[in-house]
Amino acid sequence: KQEVTQIPAALSVPEGENLVLNCSFTDSAIYNLQWFRQDPGKGLTSLLLIQSSQREQTSGRLNASLDKSSGRSTLYIAASQPGDSATYLCAVSNYGGATNKLIFGTGTLLAVQP
Amino acid sequence: ETGVTQSPTHLIKTRGQQVTLRCSSQSGHNTVSWYQQALGQGPQFIFQYYREEENGRGNFPPRFSGLQFPNYSSELNVNALELDDSALYLCASRVGGRHEQYFGPGTRLTVT
Repeated sequence: KQEVTQIPAALSVPEGENLVLNCSFTDSAIYNLQWFRQDPGKGLTSLLLIQSSQREQTSGRLNASLDKSSGRSTLYIAASQPGDSATYLCAVSNYGGATNKLIFGTGTLLAVQP
Repeated sequence: ETGVTQSPTHLIKTRGQQVTLRCSSQSGHNTVSWYQQALGQGPQFIFQYYREEENGRGNFPPRFSGLQFPNYSSELNVNALELDDSALYLCASRVGGRHEQYFGPGTRLTVT
């Protein structure tokens, strides 16, 4: 059974700092991994999607890496800003035919202090 | 804005009642999934519909049921509500065969 863990559960950093969020999964037979952002009480915004054949994806100040063999992914945020404050969720998809079920971690709550 | 809308935004129900939540998919998306997110937890997969047929289900009892309509809008129905059903319910749509999912803003259900 696939399990996804995110560390740390919460993180508070001063504005401008570079930071790394961690995600680990127990079954390396994934199809892809996604990072999402969730603002309080809101839906999810997709940040980056990494296919299992890829090592990393970049979008602006965000860079996500994937090491399938070790069951790990990291989300790197450069030059953090107060507007980055949110919960960050990672989710994996174990391809099982037509169903693209996402298995989520419990998230990292990020607070960027001005 | 993902183009996925959900209604209502908030809902308060009493234990034992029934509830229907609605989702309007992004244009052209024929696959919709529903997730339950309890406070402080990650979303949990409930089920997926593709072209009006359920084709995947998570570990949820039969009192959670759904429908998908020809225009690809969708409903989640929950019967015999329990206190533990209090959560944010999210729907996500995608084009069948592609893997990026687009989430709606969610419906906050409170069961008292």
